[in-house]
Amino acid sequence: DIVMTQSPDSLAVSLGERATINCKSSQSVLYSSNNKNYLAWYQQKPGQPPKLLIYWASTRASGVPDRFSGSGSGTDFTLTISSLQAEDVAVYYCQQYYSTPPLTFGGGTKVEIK
Amino acid sequence: EVQLVESGGGLVQPGGSLRLSCAASGFTLSSHAMSWVRQAPGKGLEWISTISGNEGSTYYADSVKGRFTISRDSSKNVVYLQLKSLRAEDTARYYCAHLQSGLGYCTSTSCLYYFDNWGQGTLVTVSS
Repeated sequence: DIVMTQSPDSLAVSLGERATINCKSSQSVLYSSNNKNYLAWYQQKPGQPPKLLIYWASTRASGVPDRFSGSGSGTDFTLTISSLQAEDVAVYYCQQYYSTPPLTFGGGTKVEIK
Repeated sequence: EVQLVESGGGLVQPGGSLRLSCAASGFTLSSHAMSWVRQAPGKGLEWISTISGNEGSTYYADSVKGRFTISRDSSKNVVYLQLKSLRAEDTARYYCAHLQSGLGYCTSTSCLYYFDNWGQGTLVTVSS
């Protein structure tokens, strides 16, 4: 199984500042046949279900603000919130879909306002 | 608009059973892969089962294999998760989620991708 490891576990960022979340997979999730990274990011606000933010490592889902961006390839990925807003307080998860089942998630990163 | 509404959760004793339902609207279930993902209180997300579109193949996490069964009723547009031999560690909110899948971007091992729509979840508590 591919293990997903996120860091940090939590971070506090001032409003308007950049937030960076890291996700590392235990093996590459880059498929050489199509050069796609099989990785998604989700946002879960308190008391709500998760919401898809990013798929194929860098494609924003419909309606997701452009302050959210995904980058990386192979085993190392980053979710960046370029200018943190109050409504971005949430837990963020990465998920791989390169080798399934199982579909595996990272442990989550909690983002708070400093 | 895609909508997923779960029901059937509740309090059950260890060793007991429960059936969860997920009513889908806005799309035809039989052509789409659907999954159940759970989240224990204060913990992260755990994928537990998927039923694929069309052929209806089923997949399970090792933690629930042999105890949980996923199925669907295409006439009602409902996905089910039958839970048996429940344990305290099965206590969680269970989410139904639509899974993007299919031909086109399959790897050598998988045609299952990411979850693009989620229900609100239903809470299962296993306790005596």
